[in-house]
Amino acid sequence: GAVVSQHPSWVICKSGTSVKIECRSLDFQATTMFWYRQFPKQSLMLMATSNEGSKATYEQGVEKDKFLINHASLTLSTLTVTSAHPEDSSFYICSARDLGREQYFGPGTRLTVT
Amino acid sequence: QKEVEQDPGPLSVPEGAIVSLNCTYSNSAFQYFMWYRQYSRKGPELLMYTYSSGNKEDGRFTAQVDKSSKYISLFIRDSQPSDSATYLCAMIPFGSGNTGKLIFGQGTTLQVKP
Repeated sequence: GAVVSQHPSWVICKSGTSVKIECRSLDFQATTMFWYRQFPKQSLMLMATSNEGSKATYEQGVEKDKFLINHASLTLSTLTVTSAHPEDSSFYICSARDLGREQYFGPGTRLTVT
Repeated sequence: QKEVEQDPGPLSVPEGAIVSLNCTYSNSAFQYFMWYRQYSRKGPELLMYTYSSGNKEDGRFTAQVDKSSKYISLFIRDSQPSDSATYLCAMIPFGSGNTGKLIFGQGTTLQVKP
């Protein structure tokens, strides 16, 4: 149980385009979902927290107009990187939490912006 | 000073060794403690979750929490090459409400040599 999926697992896009990443909780309802970014050999950096049906809460320094988060249902959250640039290239990971405090992570999405 | 300190390693041990991974923290409000294992280019996998001082055992893994010293540990017995990964400690402060935001350590890279 407690499986979280992400799609796509890897995406390459051109600078200036937008990319959407999906995060799904497959066998539980996620009251809260989180989006992280991870650079090589570094720990996870929380970008934003989203609760179903409400606006996401962004961490300091994260541009909410650039990283659009939609938590449309209890099993789906999306992250859209708008007008992507090479510095946005990173490993994006989502996690989901049900009523407990454990967070279950997706397998991650590797974004490369050329 | 970071809220959670974790030696990044790398830590290299022979197969069969007992591994000790540690984190210290400064915020006494941290009440929930987790250990995640992350393989290269994958999302973190929850290994252990505990919220009280003392030991919690699950197979070859033992999580230990000492709140008086603000120190947590993860022990791996009979380590295997498949245990080679990055281990992340994570904590949630009491009273974080519905966010459940995790505070991560930097992660320790472990290599178990056959």
